[in-house]
Amino acid sequence: EVQLVQSGTEVKKPGESLKISCKTSGYSFTTCWIGWVRQMPGKGLEWMGIINPGDSDTRINPSFQGQVSFSVDKSINTAYLHWSSLKASDTAMYYCARQVDGGRFDYWGQGTLVTVSS
Amino acid sequence: QSALTQPASVSGPPGQSITISCTGTSSDVGGYNYVSWYQQHPGKAPRLTLYDVNRRPSGVSIRFSGSKSGLSASLTISGLQADDEAEYFCASFISSARWVFGGGTKLTVL
Repeated sequence: EVQLVQSGTEVKKPGESLKISCKTSGYSFTTCWIGWVRQMPGKGLEWMGIINPGDSDTRINPSFQGQVSFSVDKSINTAYLHWSSLKASDTAMYYCARQVDGGRFDYWGQGTLVTVSS
Repeated sequence: QSALTQPASVSGPPGQSITISCTGTSSDVGGYNYVSWYQQHPGKAPRLTLYDVNRRPSGVSIRFSGSKSGLSASLTISGLQADDEAEYFCASFISSARWVFGGGTKLTVL
């Protein structure tokens, strides 16, 4: 059974760094890209970008370029979303999802709530 | 990379059909047959409902169907049921493996 399990809720201060995780199981990790999706409180979904676990090739939405980065650890089938300096406007739910042929996200993580507040 | 345009809300009584539109440009919806739809119940992760305009993933009811014409795609739900009440988001391929979502449509089953 394919599963994506994300790390837990985070409460951080502006300027702090953060890395959230997305641990996958039930399929070969390097065969499917992993995507990240932001959902700000009460708002819609935003496509942040995708990373190829096989070679770490990345495609990032220009709106998020320079704000976040992606990485993977193939040894533990896990993808990560990184911030080097959080802002209050980063407060949101973040989802990881598996991307398959045609670009659709067929399996999703449960989401990680990130709250940034002084 | 502007969000695709969806109506903010639609509603219908149980048993009826509703259609949600998703309008883009020739650079996204109009340019590719890669449109997906996601259903999101409150407090839950999105769930893939349709892909490649009109294909249903395993486990999704045949009551869900999709189409595309020109710059717009549509999701139709027939025989509305209480559990269909959710927010629905379309998504389209744009270029270079990038995608864009629609703003979302809240479906109320009256």
